[in-house]
Amino acid sequence: EAGVTQSPTHLIKTRGQQATLRCSPISGHTSVYWYQQALGLGLQFLLWYDEGEERNRGNFPPRFSGRQFPNYSSELNVNALELEDSALYLCASHNSPRYRGNQPQHFGDGTRLSIL
Amino acid sequence: GEDVEQSLFLSVREGDSSVINCTYTDSSSTYLYWYKQEPGAGLQLLTYIFSNMDMKQDQRLTVLLNKKDKHLSLRIADTQTGDSAIYFCAESRFGSSNTGKLIFGQGTTLQVKP
Repeated sequence: EAGVTQSPTHLIKTRGQQATLRCSPISGHTSVYWYQQALGLGLQFLLWYDEGEERNRGNFPPRFSGRQFPNYSSELNVNALELEDSALYLCASHNSPRYRGNQPQHFGDGTRLSIL
Repeated sequence: GEDVEQSLFLSVREGDSSVINCTYTDSSSTYLYWYKQEPGAGLQLLTYIFSNMDMKQDQRLTVLLNKKDKHLSLRIADTQTGDSAIYFCAESRFGSSNTGKLIFGQGTTLQVKP
C-alpha cells in the first residue's frame, strides 16, 4: 500500500511568486493535514481538509490556502512568497476523525520550499 | 496553553537504553504520539498511546504515561546507530474539542555514539 506522497520534493521560488504543493493521501483516507516545519519554529499546523472541506486553520495569513479534490488529494497554495516561507511543508492523512475516532496521522516526506 | 515540551538533545552509547521525555497540557481525551524524523525525511510514526493507558510496549520501544504529571516518555532499548534522528512527541485531542491538528513538541535530537 502506498503511503502519503508529496510533490515536488524541492521547489525554489523567488519573493513575490506563488507556489503550489501537492499531496496524495493513503488510499481510503479522507482527511489531509498540512504542517510547516521552519528552522527554529518547529512543526506548526497549517490546514485541515476533511471530505472536501476546510475544517480548521492554523495561525497563518490568508495567502496560505488550499483545497481538497474529490479523490481526497490536496493542494497547498502560497501566494506572494516571502523569505520566511522557506520551510519543509509536510502533508499527513488519516481516516476522518469525525466518524472513526482518533487515528494516527501518517506523513509524507515533504516538499522543501526555498525562497531566494 | 497548547505547549508540548521536550528536552532538545540526548546522547547515548550504542547498546544503551535511551529515554526521551515529554510533557503535555491537555488532561482528558487525548492521544499522544511519538514520531521519528531522519535527515531530509518526513515523520515516521513510531507508536501512540491513549491517555487512559499507563504503558505500551512495542518491540524495543516502551511508552510510559504519567497522567498526574502529564508526562510521557519513550524508552528505546538496545539503541543502535540507526536510531539517531529527531524524535517528536505530539498530542491530539478529539471529542468536543476536536480540531484535527497535532500539537508537536520541539523535537529531541538523539545522537547514538558507536
